[in-house]
Amino acid sequence: GENVEQHPSTLSVQEGDSAVIKCTYSDSASNYFPWYKQELGKGPQLIIDIRSNVGEKKDQRIAVTLNKTAKHFSLHITETQPEDSAVYFCAASRPVGGGNKLTFGTGTQLKVEL
Amino acid sequence: KAGVTQTPRYLIKTRGQQVTLSCSPISGHRSVSWYQQTPGQGLQFLFEYFSETQRNKGNFPGRFSGRQFSNSRSEMNVSTLELGDSALYLCASSLVQMLNTGELFFGEGSRLTVL
Repeated sequence: GENVEQHPSTLSVQEGDSAVIKCTYSDSASNYFPWYKQELGKGPQLIIDIRSNVGEKKDQRIAVTLNKTAKHFSLHITETQPEDSAVYFCAASRPVGGGNKLTFGTGTQLKVEL
Repeated sequence: KAGVTQTPRYLIKTRGQQVTLSCSPISGHRSVSWYQQTPGQGLQFLFEYFSETQRNKGNFPGRFSGRQFSNSRSEMNVSTLELGDSALYLCASSLVQMLNTGELFFGEGSRLTVL
């Protein structure tokens, strides 16, 4: 089955700096790669996603890049703010049997320091 | 629009007991998925239901089961609880009926502690 590895497990940056989280996946049939943000005491929330026919996607301060050949994708957050502090999860999915079955990375605890 | 609602939010059980968790999806969402979240393993897929049918299943033992009702509400059950079942159980609903590219909307989870 699919295996998603995520690095680093913790990341501390100064406010205003950029943060980069990297993930690799094993299943070449995976075609959907979302990123979720989980704040303390809450469920994960989708912040950006990318499909396999696109190499890069940007939404304000957040961007995701995908390298299908190398099977890795990354989340980039620019101009970090204290409210960006949370746990971030990458995930991958392939179209098997329809429906939704995400394989998640183990998460990155991002701390934005003042 | 109300979000995904999970009940109960917290519960404590002892080994050998069983537990039932409930999830009410966002109105209009017919796909409901369940995930187990633990500090060591992260989020792991349990199963997904669509129109009262299990559409996908993760690699969990048969002690973990679920079902979906005609109103899309879902329940999951864990029988013969083990200490390792202590986790946050997350339910997510999705609007997209087919393919695998629909946004999942997560509830806040049910935190299960097994003593």
